[in-house]
Amino acid sequence: AQSVTQLDSHVSVSEGTPVLLRCNYSSSYSPSLFWYVQHPNKGLQLLLKYTSAATLVKGINGFEAEFKKSETSFHLTKPSAHMSDAAEYFCVVGEDDKIIFGKGTRLHILP
Amino acid sequence: GAGVSQSPSNKVTEKGKDVELRCDPISGHTALYWYRQRLGQGLEFLIYFQGNSAPDKSGLPSDRFSAERTGESVSTLTIQRTQQEDSAVYLCASSLWLAEPYNEQFFGPGTRLTVL
Repeated sequence: AQSVTQLDSHVSVSEGTPVLLRCNYSSSYSPSLFWYVQHPNKGLQLLLKYTSAATLVKGINGFEAEFKKSETSFHLTKPSAHMSDAAEYFCVVGEDDKIIFGKGTRLHILP
Repeated sequence: GAGVSQSPSNKVTEKGKDVELRCDPISGHTALYWYRQRLGQGLEFLIYFQGNSAPDKSGLPSDRFSAERTGESVSTLTIQRTQQEDSAVYLCASSLWLAEPYNEQFFGPGTRLTVL
């Protein structure tokens, strides 16, 4: 059965420094993996999606994620954080008619 | 065009009453999903529809929960005999169904359900 683990419930970084949000998954074979973002008082929005075409996936707002099968990881990164990146981020795995959301990581940006 | 809409936006009910939550997906989206988000927690996948059919209902928390979709459009999530543990934000999403169901989902604003 598939599962998703977001290793940090909260991450704080200073504006202009790199962002790393960690996600590990388990699945039977080749899953679809996503990152969604939820800004305060706004709906969920897709950041990026992996479906086996390329291991490095580029998303919106300068975010990217790398699929590493050997590590069963799909960590989300951004080279330089912006204040507008403050939000909750969800790692998601889709497989076998089920969609599993991680518990979320709240990203705080320090001025 | 219009996004996913949900109604009501807020619902306060008494324990034991039935509630019905509505979702209007984006026109042309054949896949529709329901999630529950409890305070401070991630999203819990409840059920999805491919057209008007729900291939797997095992994500529904109990037999008090049911969902329907008609005309490959509107969906309703019904909770019977509500309990305080049902209090949460219920989110609906829709997507195009291509070769697989895991395409970008567009989320509605949610219905905040409070069971007193």
